[in-house]
Amino acid sequence: KAGVTQTPRYLIKTRGQQVTLSCSPISGHRSVSWYQQTPGQGLQFLFEYFSETQRNKGNFPGRFSGRQFSNSRSEMNVSTLELGDSALYLCASSFLSGGANEQFFGPGTRLTVL
Amino acid sequence: KQEVTQIPAALSVPEGENLVLNCSFTDSAIYNLQWFRQDPGKGLTSLLLIQSSQREQTSGRLNASLDKSSGRSTLYIAASQPGDSATYLCAVKSGGGADGLTFGKGTHLIIQP
Repeated sequence: KAGVTQTPRYLIKTRGQQVTLSCSPISGHRSVSWYQQTPGQGLQFLFEYFSETQRNKGNFPGRFSGRQFSNSRSEMNVSTLELGDSALYLCASSFLSGGANEQFFGPGTRLTVL
Repeated sequence: KQEVTQIPAALSVPEGENLVLNCSFTDSAIYNLQWFRQDPGKGLTSLLLIQSSQREQTSGRLNASLDKSSGRSTLYIAASQPGDSATYLCAVKSGGGADGLTFGKGTHLIIQP
């Protein structure tokens, strides 16, 4: 069974630009969560999508948004990029939303903002 | 607000030793706790998942325990190997499940050949 895939793996953008990251969950998984990982803050929860609806959201500004498609694939968008947005963005999928479901992570997208 | 702490932050041991990594959390109302491994620049690999009603889980040379009432978990690695070198992360899914996983900062483990 294929794992979680994320594209692209690496991105370089400049301040003020916007970026879209993509995540394809494990086949049959309907929940997709996004996390930001930085050396200073560690791993922080961004948001979760289930059945094309945002279920939960972490403490990030409105510049961070996402969506989920009917095939459970998800995209994350960051507008008006800032230097501090440079991070590894990780996507995780699980069979269902919430509760006691195990999460499986993709390889991440490394975003560098210059 | 749930907070997760991992001790030690870094650990270096010779190959073959058994070792214990520690994780503590402030709110005992959790659904589950997961241990992950992360290699440099890579994503997270799930090692063990312990549901809130369980006391421990085992996979090969790994054993994870959970004491929910005291807010602690340990990851025991038996007969360590150089390939075990990585950062080990502990994460909890809190009650209500509203906020995704809350992660500790990790333990950076080096196994010396």
